[in-house]
Amino acid sequence: RKEVEQDPGPFNVPEGATVAFNCTYSNSASQSFFWYRQDCRKEPKLLMSVYSSGNEDGRFTAQLNRASQYISLLIRDSKLSDSATYLCVVNRGTGNQFYFGTGTSLTVIP
Amino acid sequence: EPEVTQTPSHQVTQMGQEVILRCVPISNHLYFYWYRQILGQKVEFLVSFYNNEISEKSEIFDDQFSVERPDGSNFTLKIRSTKLEDSAMYFCASSDRSGGTGELFFGEGSRLTVL
Repeated sequence: RKEVEQDPGPFNVPEGATVAFNCTYSNSASQSFFWYRQDCRKEPKLLMSVYSSGNEDGRFTAQLNRASQYISLLIRDSKLSDSATYLCVVNRGTGNQFYFGTGTSLTVIP
Repeated sequence: EPEVTQTPSHQVTQMGQEVILRCVPISNHLYFYWYRQILGQKVEFLVSFYNNEISEKSEIFDDQFSVERPDGSNFTLKIRSTKLEDSAMYFCASSDRSGGTGELFFGEGSRLTVL
């Protein structure tokens, strides 16, 4: 079973829409969770860390469900500039190895 | 803003040749990583490095690969005898904290094409 699984999409949404991405992880001992954004042929960049209580950063909300081993990212009021691939990243906490999902592709359409 | 820098941005090599990819991590960071991403696929962990030694490596990081921190600033990835399947984007990353508590800062990547 893959360490991190994501729906690859693509998600094509109109500007202003709300879109949600999901991610599951296989190792129940995982400690740290992140969403990274990757633009085409660019390096990944941290979008936000995901905390147990859930957290919000502007239009972005991240949720963690440890019981279901599930992480989500909600983007409200989508902008054209949100078009990118969103990577779910998990760290077991026992080492320095970060596990990346395959990414979910988002295109926001005018 | 401090950044991770990588050279070269693109290297084309013949199968069987040695390649060295170079990285300059953010200066006060202590944890260094190499990841690779084959075109259209996910980002894959290769190796992590701390205190002048490898702390973890993946199955991909076999005897053909090695890393070195030859001085106080550079962090290199060497592929001894390149194979076609080594063609990928190689990302260097650094972090100021261990165990996933810190953000990974990535360089812009070195694209390796093996012919």
